[in-house]
Amino acid sequence: GQQLNQSPQSMFIQEGEDVSMNCTSSSIFNTWLWYKQDPGEGPVLLIALYKAGELTSNGRLTAQFGITRKDSFLNISASIPSDVGIYFCAGQLPGQGAQKLVFGQGTRLTINP
Amino acid sequence: KAGVTQTPRYLIKTRGQQVTLSCSPISGHRSVSWYQQTPGQGLQFLFEYFSETQRNKGNFPGRFSGRQFSNSRSEMNVSTLELGDSALYLCASSWGTDTQYFGPGTRLTVL
Repeated sequence: GQQLNQSPQSMFIQEGEDVSMNCTSSSIFNTWLWYKQDPGEGPVLLIALYKAGELTSNGRLTAQFGITRKDSFLNISASIPSDVGIYFCAGQLPGQGAQKLVFGQGTRLTINP
Repeated sequence: KAGVTQTPRYLIKTRGQQVTLSCSPISGHRSVSWYQQTPGQGLQFLFEYFSETQRNKGNFPGRFSGRQFSNSRSEMNVSTLELGDSALYLCASSWGTDTQYFGPGTRLTVL
C-alpha cells in the first residue's frame, strides 16, 4: 500500500532542545496531519494542514505542508518531558476519501531531563 | 463533550475464534473509521462508515467486517482469528469529511 516515509524513527534529546521530524512520499497528498500517541492511548491530533505551503503553529509546535504536496515537517521548540511519545504524520490521498488516512511509521521521542 | 469510547479496552482470544469490538463516536459525529495498529505494519486503515453505509475500505481480508447503527455507534468483527490479528484496533470519528479524532483503542491478543 501507499507509504509515508517518516524520519527519524527515534530521537534522544535533552530537555530544552528543539526537535524536527519530517515525512515524505512519492505521491501528492491533499491533507497532512500530525498526531502524537502516548502509551496505551489513541493518537491525538496536533496540527492539520490543508494547503500546499501552509505553515501552522500550535504552541511550541510548528508544521508545514510542503510546496510539492509530497512532504511535511513538524518542529517542536524547547522540548519538555511531556513531549515524550510517538509522533505520526498522516496524509489523505486525492480521490481516496478524507477518512482513509495513510500513516507514517512514527518517530519515537525520548527526552533526558 | 465526551470523546470517542471503545469497548472493551483489552481482549484475549484464541485462534479460530471471532471477536466483536465496539466504538461510540463523539456526539454528533456521523463518520466512524477503524484502523489496525501493529509494530510491524504501523497504522493501517480498515474501513469507514458514514450514515450506516460503508464509504471506504482498506486492503484487509473479508474476515474483517464492520457495521454502523442509526445512532452512529459502530462495531467491527473479526472472524476466524489468526495470531497475526493481534493488534491495537483504533476507532476514529468525525462529523463528515473533516478531521478524525481517535479513541483509546482495543488491545486484542490472539493466542
